[in-house]
Amino acid sequence: SVLTQPPSVSAAPGQKVTVSCSGSSSDIGSNYVSWYQQLPGTAPKLLIYDNNKRPSGIPDRFSGSKSGTSATLGITGLQTGDEADYYCGTRDSLSADYVFGTGTKVTVL
Amino acid sequence: HITLKESGPALVKPTQTLTLTCTFSGFSLRASGVGVGWIRQPPGKALEWLALIYWDDDKRYSPSLQSRLTITKDTSKNQVVLTLTNMDPADTATYYCAHDRLGLGEYFDFWGQGTLVTVSS
Repeated sequence: SVLTQPPSVSAAPGQKVTVSCSGSSSDIGSNYVSWYQQLPGTAPKLLIYDNNKRPSGIPDRFSGSKSGTSATLGITGLQTGDEADYYCGTRDSLSADYVFGTGTKVTVL
Repeated sequence: HITLKESGPALVKPTQTLTLTCTFSGFSLRASGVGVGWIRQPPGKALEWLALIYWDDDKRYSPSLQSRLTITKDTSKNQVVLTLTNMDPADTATYYCAHDRLGLGEYFDFWGQGTLVTVSS
């Protein structure tokens, strides 16, 4: 299964961006979603888990939500340090495999 | 404090078998709800999940690579080993291992730094 994300989104510093993640009834529709941030040249980092929970140390500027077979990552008060690739991820109930999204590059104008 | 580190060859030839080791600390693979996964990322491309092994020795593989992948664990050494047979230049990527947590959902909450593997003759 494949989770589809927009290739890129952008906004000015201080503004808000949203990143969408579209799946199906067997993945997002049946499971909790997580989000990962990958800064240039570094390993991915968990940003959101269980649809909308933030690990310790992740600022509340980052939020997650899910509705039906889609999920959304929101970033408010955009900062230059938020420029990164963002991936959604979840389990597929049919196969029990893990799937990642296609990735979205967030650019701060 | 959970840490993971990947090790293995930086260069392999086509048709060879790749063996990568993930050495971890700060958790036990005997603990319920815990797993270790492997994920790779070709240069400039997206993350691709490869395999998972759980505390109860349940194993999962990417359908597209299942015939070439094997994942095993050595709980006494705190290591997880991934083998990928019949390597091809298309397998050139940074390979990551990550701590997998099964709760309400499933997610990778700690990642290794990654190791770049190049396939070339």
